[in-house]
Amino acid sequence: AQSVTQLDSQVPVFEEAPVELRCNYSSSVSVYLFWYVQYPNQGLQLLLKYLSGSTLVESINGFEAEFNKSQTSFHLRKPSVHISDTAEYFCAVTKSGSNYKLTFGKGTLLTVNP
Amino acid sequence: DAGVTQSPTHLIKTRGQHVTLRCSPISGHKSVSWYQQVLGQGPQFIFQYYEKEERGRGNFPDRFSARQFPNYSSELNVNALLLGDSALYLCASSLRASGGADNEQFFGPGTRLTVL
Repeated sequence: AQSVTQLDSQVPVFEEAPVELRCNYSSSVSVYLFWYVQYPNQGLQLLLKYLSGSTLVESINGFEAEFNKSQTSFHLRKPSVHISDTAEYFCAVTKSGSNYKLTFGKGTLLTVNP
Repeated sequence: DAGVTQSPTHLIKTRGQHVTLRCSPISGHKSVSWYQQVLGQGPQFIFQYYEKEERGRGNFPDRFSARQFPNYSSELNVNALLLGDSALYLCASSLRASGGADNEQFFGPGTRLTVL
């Protein structure tokens, strides 16, 4: 079985500041890793994913995450945040090749203040 | 193209009642998964259906059941509702049951169930 720990439940930052949302996972098998974003009263949107290959993955809106197998981490970073990035962010894991039974962390609420 | 749709958007029930939630996947997607998201928590996997068969089940009681229809839409049923069943129920669809970089899960907006 897999598990995910998101170390921060809330992260407040000022606009244009850098941010890192931390995610650690536990698994006895190889995994796929995901970051999803949830805006208020909406469903989940996939932000980025690591399946294989390059350990650094990027999204179209400036977020990036790095898969670190030795530290079992998949932290999400953005060098400069916008007000519109305010949302709940969920890290998720699934067994490699599975792609359906996602195990989510409890989420990190990112609040970007002007 | 329409994304994953769910109905109803909101629902209020009382303890002991039964509820049915509905999900229509993206056209061409044959797999549907259901998740429960309790306030303040991440989503928890309930079921996956593929080609009308249950392919996976999470740690939920037998009060929870689901089915998938020939058009790949799905229903989630919950019997004997408890206060703790109050949550956002999310449906996700994907092309196949598993595997592949293209087999991304797309989530619907969810159904907000409140049990009084």
